[in-house]
Amino acid sequence: GAVVSQHPSRVICKSGTSVKIECRSLDFQATTMFWYRQFPKQSLMLMATSNEGSKATYEQGVEKDKFLINHASLTLSTLTVTSAHPEDSSFYICSAINRENGYTFGSGTRLTVV
Amino acid sequence: AQSVAQPEDQVNVAEGNPLTVKCTYSVSGNPYLFWYVQYPNRGLQFLLKYITGDNLVKGSYGFEAEFNKSQTSFHLKKPSALVSDSALYFCAVRDLNSGYSTLTFGKGTMLLVSP
Repeated sequence: GAVVSQHPSRVICKSGTSVKIECRSLDFQATTMFWYRQFPKQSLMLMATSNEGSKATYEQGVEKDKFLINHASLTLSTLTVTSAHPEDSSFYICSAINRENGYTFGSGTRLTVV
Repeated sequence: AQSVAQPEDQVNVAEGNPLTVKCTYSVSGNPYLFWYVQYPNRGLQFLLKYITGDNLVKGSYGFEAEFNKSQTSFHLKKPSALVSDSALYFCAVRDLNSGYSTLTFGKGTMLLVSP
């Protein structure tokens, strides 16, 4: 139980385009989801906390207009990287709070902007 | 504020030997502690957690961790390492008294188990 599905696992896009990443809780309702960014050989940096039905809470230094988060239902949160640039290339991971072990993580999305 | 320190970037151990991956934490209230493992280009897999109760917590794949309040530590251990344990390990903490649900991660420790 407590599975989080994240898609796509890999995406390559051209500079200036937008990319949407989906995070779904498959067998539980996730009122709160988190979006992280991970640079090579580094830890996870929290980007934002996504709450169902309300605006996301962004961490300091994260551009709200660039990283659009939508949490329209109890099972789906999306992260859209708008006008992507090569420096946005990274590994993005979502997480949802569950009742079993606290937090379940998606499998991550490798974004490459060319 | 909450923080986690993993002092070792990498831990090397021979297969069959015991392993320890160190973690210390800092919270103003009571800690909610986790260990996760990450394989290349994958998300994080839950290993174990501590909220309250026995200081020795047993988790997945034969791993265990010992909560030490006086030393504010939560070291990950395994009696006999396997080559397949080679991966990146993260310690994480949440302050149960803060009212916030966010986890703070350590920088990660790469575990390399040699045959």
